Amino acid sequence: DAGITQSPRHKVTETGTPVTLRCHQTENHRYMYWYRQDPGHGLRLIHYSYGVKDTDKGEVSDGYSVSRSKTEDFLLTLESATSSQTSVYFCAITPEAGGYEQYFGPGTRLTVT
Amino acid sequence: KNEVEQSPQNLTAQEGEFITINCSYSVGISALHWLQQHPGGGIVSLFMLSSGKKKHGRLIATINIQEKHSSLHITASHPRDSAVYICAVAQGAQKLVFGQGTRLTINP
Repeated sequence: DAGITQSPRHKVTETGTPVTLRCHQTENHRYMYWYRQDPGHGLRLIHYSYGVKDTDKGEVSDGYSVSRSKTEDFLLTLESATSSQTSVYFCAITPEAGGYEQYFGPGTRLTVT
Repeated sequence: KNEVEQSPQNLTAQEGEFITINCSYSVGISALHWLQQHPGGGIVSLFMLSSGKKKHGRLIATINIQEKHSSLHITASHPRDSAVYICAVAQGAQKLVFGQGTRLTINP
């Protein structure tokens, strides 16, 4: 357990509404990640952060934005949710700078109707 | 072609059997991870390795850097081993590329 929580754990929303998912960690890890997991695609990186206010895009960043105003929270926002964003979203952290380990949060299941 | 390929995609076996899941990759890597995901559950890191072999209980992971191949073995398999096993390669410190996973079912 790397002290990672995600909220909400489940959400159903309608197409066109904004949605924000929260990842919270308690151990001041510098690197945080957002992934989505879909059948047939595995896990894919959406965005990651290497410090407060420092973020970068992953391979599937279109339609998503992120913010990190404090070390412990990494927010993922869908500005206008679409059905193609129905997925399970995982947050992850790297526990040490320059390390290769990643530990994952419990996931958020998002359904866009 | 995916950068990380796992085989088989699905595997069903009887309790007690020796299980092997394979992972091949086509890119240079810093390390390779094996992850486990139970149905409806989170993702747990089993191993991270960059050479040789690691063992934890009934699980063994090996990697051959020259052949760009890794295997995950489970000895004396048990129904609680039923899960999706995911191989992921680290390209540099912050980027992981994932395989699509192997769904393992162990029947009693």
